[in-house]
Amino acid sequence: NAGVMQNPRHLVRRRGQEARLRCSPMKGHSHVYWYRQLPEEGLKFMVYLQKENIIDESGMPKERFSAEFPKEGPSILRIQQVVRGDSAAYFCASSQNKGDYEQYFGPGTRLTVT
Amino acid sequence: SQQGEEDPQALSIQEGENATMNCSYKTSINNLQWYRQNSGRGLVHLILIRSNEREKHSGRLRVTLDTSKKSSSLLITASRAADTASYFCATDRSPGSARQLTFGSGTQLTVLP
Repeated sequence: NAGVMQNPRHLVRRRGQEARLRCSPMKGHSHVYWYRQLPEEGLKFMVYLQKENIIDESGMPKERFSAEFPKEGPSILRIQQVVRGDSAAYFCASSQNKGDYEQYFGPGTRLTVT
Repeated sequence: SQQGEEDPQALSIQEGENATMNCSYKTSINNLQWYRQNSGRGLVHLILIRSNEREKHSGRLRVTLDTSKKSSSLLITASRAADTASYFCATDRSPGSARQLTFGSGTQLTVLP
């Protein structure tokens, strides 16, 4: 049973470009969460999605950031017109829709904006 | 301090010793989870303790939860060099179906061989 998959693992973008980060949840998991980690800090919640629905986006910046989890395919975190401050590790987690909703994390995508 | 604040920030011990890390939080929670993160890697889920539980064991790990003090501790017994990592507590305080985790800034554990 494969774990949470994220790609790419590393992404370098110039200021003003777009970044697309992908996340495939664990088999049987229908909930996806995105977190951002700045250097030397803990993870900060960004958004929580179920298939075709955004449940909680209270941690998402109001501009340039969007997320989706379509009926088919991976969840996508999209950052438009990236700036240097967007450089961070972005982690995706998934959980089942029952029980304690334990979240299992992917390896992360490290975004560097030059 | 922020929700899910770990203490100490850094801990260095000899192999074979026990390591204790603490976590404090501010609001009521559904559960509290501990994760490990090796440098530059993803998070590994270690253990989850529910708000109505006081203690939980998993291998060399022992977690306690005191909801009256809003605190938790993670004990790693007989530590190994491979336990060197950052350890985070995360609280799930969401009502209903909104389940964002709130992480602290972590404890950096170094186990010296």
